[in-house]
Amino acid sequence: GQQVMQIPQYQHVQEGEDFTTYCNSSTTLSNIQWYKQRPGGHPVFLIQLVKSGEVKKQKRLTFQFGEAKKNSSLHITATQTTDVGTYFCAGHRDYKLSFGAGTTVTVRA
Amino acid sequence: GEEVAQTPKHLVRGEGQKAKLYCAPIKGHSYVFWYQQVLKNEFKFLISFQNENVFDETGMPKERFSAKCLPNSPCSLEIQATKLEDSAVYFCASSQSVPGEYGYTFGSGTRLTVV
Repeated sequence: GQQVMQIPQYQHVQEGEDFTTYCNSSTTLSNIQWYKQRPGGHPVFLIQLVKSGEVKKQKRLTFQFGEAKKNSSLHITATQTTDVGTYFCAGHRDYKLSFGAGTTVTVRA
Repeated sequence: GEEVAQTPKHLVRGEGQKAKLYCAPIKGHSYVFWYQQVLKNEFKFLISFQNENVFDETGMPKERFSAKCLPNSPCSLEIQATKLEDSAVYFCASSQSVPGEYGYTFGSGTRLTVV
């Protein structure tokens, strides 16, 4: 079955630094979505990438979809305390969304 | 409304008891999804509906789990004879289409604790 792997599992970041979380699928995806879940909260949709090689930006967040549509990354610049939470990628294939295990981000002020 | 409403927020059941969770999707969203999130963040897909029809049930442990989405009623997920390993947060999500360009809108979840 479809598997979506995400690394790292944990990311401890100094405020102001950049970091990247990576997502890799065992199969080609129709699209990939990214969600953010705050501690004790529910996943909130951030963005969807559909096209091969697509890059989208939301303020300090840059999302990328690989050329083969099997991998994706989320890069956050100048991390702030509001970035705390778990970031999930979710790959869409055959009308099913499969989530990665998430990258849990903590920020040191 | 513009949110997915899940009830109850918390549910405690003794092993072997029944648990029933409810989800009201956003009006106009045709698709409803149920996911189970266990301790290490892992999301397990359970079942999806297109309106009142089952769309994909490949994730459902059918011996004890059942789900429905009937017209003019909240969707429901029922677990007969709960087991300790059913303890998790159950999220419902809805979407206008699949795959939807606006992603899935998740409810706040129901935390089920089986003791």
